[in-house]
Amino acid sequence: EVQLVQSGAEVKKPGESLKISCKASGYRFTNYWIGWVRQMPGKGLEWMGIIYPGDSDTRYSPSPSFQGRVTISADKSITTASLQWSSLEASDTAVYYCARRNREARWETSTYDIWGQGTMVTVSS
Amino acid sequence: AIRMTQSPSSFSASPGDRVTITCRASRDIDIYLAWFQQKSGKAPKLLIYDATLLESGVPSRFSGNGSGTDFTLTISRLQSEDFATYYCQHYYTYPETFGQGTKVEIK
Repeated sequence: EVQLVQSGAEVKKPGESLKISCKASGYRFTNYWIGWVRQMPGKGLEWMGIIYPGDSDTRYSPSPSFQGRVTISADKSITTASLQWSSLEASDTAVYYCARRNREARWETSTYDIWGQGTMVTVSS
Repeated sequence: AIRMTQSPSSFSASPGDRVTITCRASRDIDIYLAWFQQKSGKAPKLLIYDATLLESGVPSRFSGNGSGTDFTLTISRLQSEDFATYYCQHYYTYPETFGQGTKVEIK
């Protein structure tokens, strides 16, 4: 079964660092892009960025909420993608989803068919 | 960035109704558009990709249409399990963006 399993909920203080993970199984991890999507409480979906685990090619949203504030990475040896912050802010409170592109294609665009269950991140003093 | 605008933002409908949600892109995105359904507390679920293609396992009462800048999602006969929030998403170029969502509520 193809699936993405995300790490559990986190409660952090402003200024702390955090790394959340997305464990892939059931398919060739290196051959599909994995994206990250934020959903703030009661709000819509926001695209954060994407990584191709085969060569770690990474693209980020230019939004100031994401560009330069988050780092997307992937570890082929454990088929896991990650999203990390070096200094959290209260406005980072949200559910974060990882999702796999629905085409096995390095150079072809496509949308997301497999989603993780989401990781709730709460940042509060 | 390409802006995706959905309409309406929310509406009420009855089981059995035919409903249509519209998504407009701020510039030409060819057919690179997807529709997702999201229920409270759950991850989004892919319904339609490449503007008109039905994802495997999705009921045939869902259909997508359009190309360029104007797109629609139609549910031919609304069922109780269809009451949810729907999002369009373009994947034409980076950054990808989502519409603001359309909430479909029970009348």
